[in-house]
Amino acid sequence: DTEVTQTPKHLVMGMTNKKSLKCEQHMGHRAMYWYKQKAKKPPELMFVYSYEKLSINESVPSRFSPECPNSSLLNLHLHALQPEDSALYLCASSHFPSRNEQFFGPGTRLTVL
Amino acid sequence: DQQVKQNSPSLSVQEGRISILNCDYTNSMFDYFLWYKKYPAEGPTFLISISSIKDKNEDGRFTVFLNKSAKHLSLHIVPSQPGDSAVYFCAASYPYSGAGSYQLTFGKGTKLSVIP
Repeated sequence: DTEVTQTPKHLVMGMTNKKSLKCEQHMGHRAMYWYKQKAKKPPELMFVYSYEKLSINESVPSRFSPECPNSSLLNLHLHALQPEDSALYLCASSHFPSRNEQFFGPGTRLTVL
Repeated sequence: DQQVKQNSPSLSVQEGRISILNCDYTNSMFDYFLWYKKYPAEGPTFLISISSIKDKNEDGRFTVFLNKSAKHLSLHIVPSQPGDSAVYFCAASYPYSGAGSYQLTFGKGTKLSVIP
C-alpha cells in the first residue's frame, strides 16, 4: 500500500459546526503532516507529527486541533472556523528520518459558510 | 522573503518537445530538492528529487539538474505529453535539525500546458 488516503473528499460546514478530517497511511511512515492550500498558492505547513508526537505547530489558530491516535492515523478537528479557512487541506507522510520525500493524500476540499 | 522561487507562472510546450521548468533558491543551507506535480483538486504527487551532493538525477522522462553555485535547479521533461499538463512545484529542505521532521519550503508553482 503506497497511498495516503483522506476523508471526506469534500466538506461544507457552518461557522458553529464541529467536524473532523481524517488521514491514513500504511507505508510505515513515522512523520505525518497537515497542510493548507489556497487556490494558486503553494501548500502551507500547519502541523507535523513525528513518532505520534506533535513536533511542529506553525502558529495555527486553536480552532484547528490535530490528533495522532496511532502511527497510521492523523486527524484534524475543526471548530468555529471562519470563511477564510476555506481551502484544500492536505495530509502527507514521510519515511522520517531516513528520507525527505513527503507523499500527499488527495486532500479534503473544505468550504466554510 | 521567498526562499524558493519559480519565476514563470506558466509554460506552454508542444507535445513531443522538451519542457524545462526552472527554480531558484536563496538559502544555501538547503541540501535536498524535490519536484511535485499537481492536478486541480488533487494532492501533489512526488516526481523526482536530488541531493545537493549531486548535479543530476534522472528517472525516465524526468531529469532534474542542480547548479549549486547559481542556486538554481531545473526539471526537464522529454518528450512532453499532454498528460504532463499540471502545476509543478519545486520544494527544498534543510538538513535534519532535530525538530522531528524535514520541512519542505515550496515555490509558487509553474503551470505547464502541453499542446497536442
